[in-house]
Amino acid sequence: KQEVTQIPAALSVPEGENLVLNCSFTDSAIYNLQWFRQDPGKGLTSLLLIQSSQREQTSGRLNASLDKSSGRSTLYIAASQPGDSATYLCAFLTGNQFYFGTGTSLTVIP
Amino acid sequence: GAVVSQHPSWVICKSGTSVKIECRSLDFQATTMFWYRQFPKQSLMLMATSNEGSKATYEQGVEKDKFLINHASLTLSTLTVTSAHPEDSSFYICSAKPPLDGSRGLMNTEAFFGQGTRLTVV
Repeated sequence: KQEVTQIPAALSVPEGENLVLNCSFTDSAIYNLQWFRQDPGKGLTSLLLIQSSQREQTSGRLNASLDKSSGRSTLYIAASQPGDSATYLCAFLTGNQFYFGTGTSLTVIP
Repeated sequence: GAVVSQHPSWVICKSGTSVKIECRSLDFQATTMFWYRQFPKQSLMLMATSNEGSKATYEQGVEKDKFLINHASLTLSTLTVTSAHPEDSSFYICSAKPPLDGSRGLMNTEAFFGQGTRLTVV
């Protein structure tokens, strides 16, 4: 069974800082990796999708990388803004099932 | 991307009653839908996987007689929490996967999520 760990569990940074969120997994037999954003009491918004054959994806200020050999993925957020405050979840698709990390709660201080 | 609509977004019910939550894929046909449960400050836990026209597959520890899942069409799946109790209070989220043929340019390996339903049983 896939184990997914996200570090740190919570992060607070001043506005404008660049930051990195980490996600590690135990089973390298993945189909893809998705990073999601979840606002309090809301559903999930997909941020980036990386297929297993890819190493990274970029969207605006966000960059996600995937290293299957080390079992790691990172989400890089450049020039953070208060609107980036949310919980960020990574999820891996193996077979027909998603395995979610426990999330990193990000607070960007104005 | 694609849109998955979940309804209601929140519901309060009395203990012992049943509650139905709907999950609709608005602009694509979803051969597979997933139902998740999320406790406060915890991640999503898969409850069951439903395929259109067949019985749902439940994860270990999830009572299929309590959490009834129906996937009667390619755009609608429902989760009914029967005889709800306060311990069933949670955030329920559905997700849907596009079909394998890649219609509309959507990848079958990508899932799209509903907005979630906050259930409170009093």
